[in-house]
Amino acid sequence: AQSVSQHNHHVILSEAASLELGCNYSYGGTVNLFWYVQYPGQHLQLLLKYFSGDPLVKGIKGFEAEFIKSKFSFNLRKPSVQWSDTAEYFCAVNAEAGTYKYIFGTGTRLKVLA
Amino acid sequence: SAVISQKPSRDICQRGTSLTIQCQVDSQVTMMFWYRQQPGQSLTLIATANQGSEATYESGFVIDKFPISRPNLTFSTLTVSNMSPEDSSIYLCSVESGSDYEQYFGPGTRLTVT
Repeated sequence: AQSVSQHNHHVILSEAASLELGCNYSYGGTVNLFWYVQYPGQHLQLLLKYFSGDPLVKGIKGFEAEFIKSKFSFNLRKPSVQWSDTAEYFCAVNAEAGTYKYIFGTGTRLKVLA
Repeated sequence: SAVISQKPSRDICQRGTSLTIQCQVDSQVTMMFWYRQQPGQSLTLIATANQGSEATYESGFVIDKFPISRPNLTFSTLTVSNMSPEDSSIYLCSVESGSDYEQYFGPGTRLTVT
């Protein structure tokens, strides 16, 4: 069965530290990849997405992610986190072309200490 | 982007009863989705609801347990029927963005069944 793994369930960083959150998926075909973020008390919102082309995609608030097809990975990065990045981050894969069927990872709770 | 509201935001219900969750979007959309997020787990798609047709349920979810209505292009309801403590979850609705399979999510309904 298709699955998405996020290896870090809880991450605590100090401000200005670099961030990398792992995401691996199990589907071998063409995929669309997403990172969603949920700030405290807010809705899930899109951070960035990969559809095709340049495997390094940039999103909002200085986040970026790299799609490595050979590793089935789509890791999220930010060079210098801020206290306001405290949130829960979800990786999602759309493995059925032409549909909105997402498979989500279990999420990573990031806490940034001021 | 679309603005989505859900009612109720949370509820505590007794086993054996049913709860209907409402999802309202501020623009007309063809596709709406219902997800469940059980404690400590990822978001799981329950069903896709298109206006004018029966909802399409994912494996493991059935209409008798989770009946869905979609009377128009801005509204949908999900009923959790004959509830048990295992139904305690956050239930989220989302809508298509119309672009690159991005979804907009509602704030969720936190359901506790005692």
